Amino acid sequence: QVQLQESGPGLVKPSEALSLTCAVTGYSISTGYYWGWIRQSPGKGLEWIGNMYYSGRTYYNPSLKSRVTISVDTSKNQFSLKLSSVTAADTAVYYCARVQWSDFDYWGQGTLVTVSS
Amino acid sequence: QSVLTQPPSASGTPGQRVTISCSGSSSNIGSKTVNWYQQLPGTAPKLLIYSNNQRPSGVPDRFSGSKSGTSASLAISGLQSEDEADYYCAAWDDSLNGHVVFGGGTKLTVL
Repeated sequence: QVQLQESGPGLVKPSEALSLTCAVTGYSISTGYYWGWIRQSPGKGLEWIGNMYYSGRTYYNPSLKSRVTISVDTSKNQFSLKLSSVTAADTAVYYCARVQWSDFDYWGQGTLVTVSS
Repeated sequence: QSVLTQPPSASGTPGQRVTISCSGSSSNIGSKTVNWYQQLPGTAPKLLIYSNNQRPSGVPDRFSGSKSGTSASLAISGLQSEDEADYYCAAWDDSLNGHVVFGGGTKLTVL
């Protein structure tokens, strides 16, 4: 059974970088599939952040591209998200998921990140 | 403003059939497959329909999807109280070097 679990700080200061990790169990990242991040601001809809293939090919949301980096660590079977220069607008529940194009078939439970001083 | 357009709300009574629409363009729905997600309150989204009309294992056949041109629809028949949730459509978009686009979501209320 494929399982994903997000981890990282729940509170980040404005202008700093947000860093989250998604640990994958039950499936080897290097076997295939893309791995993605999606977020949901309080009371709002889903916003795609980006997808990454284990070999390094990435696709990013055009509106976030200048601030986003997704990386993978196949040795730990996990992938990570870094979002720089955060503001209050980046406060959201962040989800990681396994994905083929826009088909997100396995999701983590999500982690709330609040941007506040 | 979401790239894919969904009605913000929908409702129905138990047993009824409800449909939720998702409108896009030639760069997304018009040329790519559509997926639907169900998000129950306080939980992560769950894949409900993939490749326009395919149900993952475990999804009841009360849920069905269709696509025509640049629009897609999710139909729920035999509505049940546990279907009350937010529903999102999603598709790949070939513009801007490729990216995922979501609909704004539809809150389904079972009256």
